[in-house]
Amino acid sequence: GQNIDQPTEMTATEGAIVQINCTYQTSGFNGLFWYQQHAGEAPTFLSYNVLDGLEEKGRFSSFLSRSKGYSYLLLKELQMKDSASYLCTIGNTPLVFGKGTRLSVIA
Amino acid sequence: DTGVSQNPRHKITKRGQNVTFRCDPISEHNRLYWYRQTLGQGPEFLTYFQNEAQLEKSRLLSDRFSAERPKGSFSTLEIQRTEQGDSAMYLCASSSRAPSDSPLHFGNGTRLTVT
Repeated sequence: GQNIDQPTEMTATEGAIVQINCTYQTSGFNGLFWYQQHAGEAPTFLSYNVLDGLEEKGRFSSFLSRSKGYSYLLLKELQMKDSASYLCTIGNTPLVFGKGTRLSVIA
Repeated sequence: DTGVSQNPRHKITKRGQNVTFRCDPISEHNRLYWYRQTLGQGPEFLTYFQNEAQLEKSRLLSDRFSAERPKGSFSTLEIQRTEQGDSAMYLCASSSRAPSDSPLHFGNGTRLTVT
């Protein structure tokens, strides 16, 4: 089995940096994914970490520490369109999602 | 890549009726997944196909739910004798390899309302 824990809600200011944390427990690990989901829309893939360290993709970066069962998603230069839910999930079959973190970006 | 297509986008039905949803995955993807999502929750896994074989089905899925993927391409999800608790967004996703190797591509979902 697996367990994923993320904060339920976060609020940040336009132009700022925000870090969304994810801790997990799992019996098998096949990488960690982050998905973004805007209200009323389907989730879309953001990032994938299988080795420890930081993966950078434009304004978004994702970090993984397998020994600590910990990941974070870092969003820089926040824009209003970044207001969405962010879902952390373990790359096992099938993918199991937690509730995600709802991020609100305010002016 | 035309993306994952789901039909219908919205379905309103009376309690007790049967409904069927269709999912057309990305053409070269052999893995197909069904999820259900209610407001404020993450997607909840329902079932998973590799080609035409249904490999896993959630224990949360009652006998009223059945899914098929007869030719390993499109899939259908049927709910019999719908209940108000079935009201949710039903999401289909596909991938070319195992989730550990490739991300899921989701369709826009079918929103079911049971009155």
